[in-house]
Amino acid sequence: NAGVTQTPKFQVLKTGQSMTLQCAQDMNHNSMYWYRQDPGMGLRLIYYSASEGTTDKGEVPNGYNVSRLNKREFSLRLESAAPSQTSVYFCASSPQDWTEQFFGPGTRLTVL
Amino acid sequence: AQSVTQLDSQVPVFEEAPVELRCNYSSSVSVYLFWYVQYPNQGLQLLLKYLSGSTLVKGINGFEAEFNKSQTSFHLRKPSVHISDTAEYFCAVIGNEKLTFGTGTRLTIIP
Repeated sequence: NAGVTQTPKFQVLKTGQSMTLQCAQDMNHNSMYWYRQDPGMGLRLIYYSASEGTTDKGEVPNGYNVSRLNKREFSLRLESAAPSQTSVYFCASSPQDWTEQFFGPGTRLTVL
Repeated sequence: AQSVTQLDSQVPVFEEAPVELRCNYSSSVSVYLFWYVQYPNQGLQLLLKYLSGSTLVKGINGFEAEFNKSQTSFHLRKPSVHISDTAEYFCAVIGNEKLTFGTGTRLTIIP
């Protein structure tokens, strides 16, 4: 089992460009999450999906959209990237809503 | 609202010395508590968790934590650290809300 996988690992964008971060899990988990990690701020929840077909905003959703494509995949889209979105992005999954979460390796995004 | 406080942002410790990383939480309901470790340039990995039962929880790599309900704490301990323990450690809580993380403690091991 690969667990939680994320692509790409690194990305550099120019202000205003768009991109989609991909996440997939092979553990048959119901819930999936997107976080961003910034120095001194821990992890902040962007969006989550409690189950296939549902998505909800987290603490910092502005500037992002998500799609729960199926049970395995949960993508995060930046429509018009801004320098403030420079961060490390982590996807996670859990068997049920708000139980132990399993994390992917992260995507390091730089917006110039 | 629930919250997690990790008072120490950085903790330097000599190799083979004991270490305690502090975590305090607030919640109006019963909680589940977690410690995650993040090695450089990697994702988060679960170290240990408290769901119910014994208040002393043992995790991977020789770490343990004790749940203290009266002090609302869940401190992480290891009796003898190794260079490979150099990492950032995050405490997290689930009460009646989403999983909430602390801001992390960077553990540096001094040879």
